[in-house]
Amino acid sequence: GAVVSQHPSRVICKSGTSVKIECRSLDFQATTMFWYRQFPKQSLMLMATSNEGSKATYEQGVEKDKFLINHASLTLSTLTVTSAHPEDSSFYICSASFRGYGYTFGSGTRLTVV
Amino acid sequence: GENVEQHPSTLSVQEGDSAVIKCTYSDSASNYFPWYKQELGKRPQLIIDIRSNVGEKKDQRIAVTLNKTAKHFSLHITETQPEDSAVYFCAADYNNDMRFGAGTRLTVKP
Repeated sequence: GAVVSQHPSRVICKSGTSVKIECRSLDFQATTMFWYRQFPKQSLMLMATSNEGSKATYEQGVEKDKFLINHASLTLSTLTVTSAHPEDSSFYICSASFRGYGYTFGSGTRLTVV
Repeated sequence: GENVEQHPSTLSVQEGDSAVIKCTYSDSASNYFPWYKQELGKRPQLIIDIRSNVGEKKDQRIAVTLNKTAKHFSLHITETQPEDSAVYFCAADYNNDMRFGAGTRLTVKP
C-alpha cells in the first residue's frame, strides 16, 4: 500500500533556530501534500496544503513566513519551522494524496523547542 | 469552510459492549467521510470510510452510517476489546479539503 516516510520522528531544538521536517511518498506520486499540527489531546489542525510545483495555501492564522513549505517534487515535501519558539512545540504530521484518491499519513514529528 | 463536530469527547465502555461516536458536518458538498484511529504519538490509521453515495458500510466489528440529509455520520464498534482503546477522529472531505472532528477518547475496560 501507499507509504509516506516522515523524518525526523523527534527533534529538540533551541529557541530561535530552524527545523526542517521531510515527508516522502515512497511508492506513489503525492500530487497534494497536507501539513497538520496537533497539540496534546487535540485534533489535527490543517496548517497548509501544497500541490507539486505550486506555492502552498496556508490556513488562516498560520504564518507562511514562519512555516515554510516546499513541494518541489511529486515525492518530497518539506516543512521548515523558522525561528522556532517554545510555543511551536507540537506534533507535526503530513498527509499525501494522489489526485484526491485517499490520504496517507506520515508517522509524525514531535518537535520540542527549548 | 467545513466545520466538523464530534461527540462525545470521551467514551468509556465495558469490554464486549458497543461504542458509538457521532459527527456532524456543515458543508453539504462534502462527499468523503473517513474515520481514523490514533494511538498516542502515532499517525492516524484509517479504519473505515464512506462516500456520500452510500448510507452504510460495515467491516467486521466496525460500521459507519451516513445521513446526508441531516449531515451526520456515525461510527459503530461492536464487541469492543481493550485494544480498541484509542482516540478516534472523524473527518469530512470535499475536493481535497479534509477537516477533522475534535476526537473521541475511547477507553474499553477489561
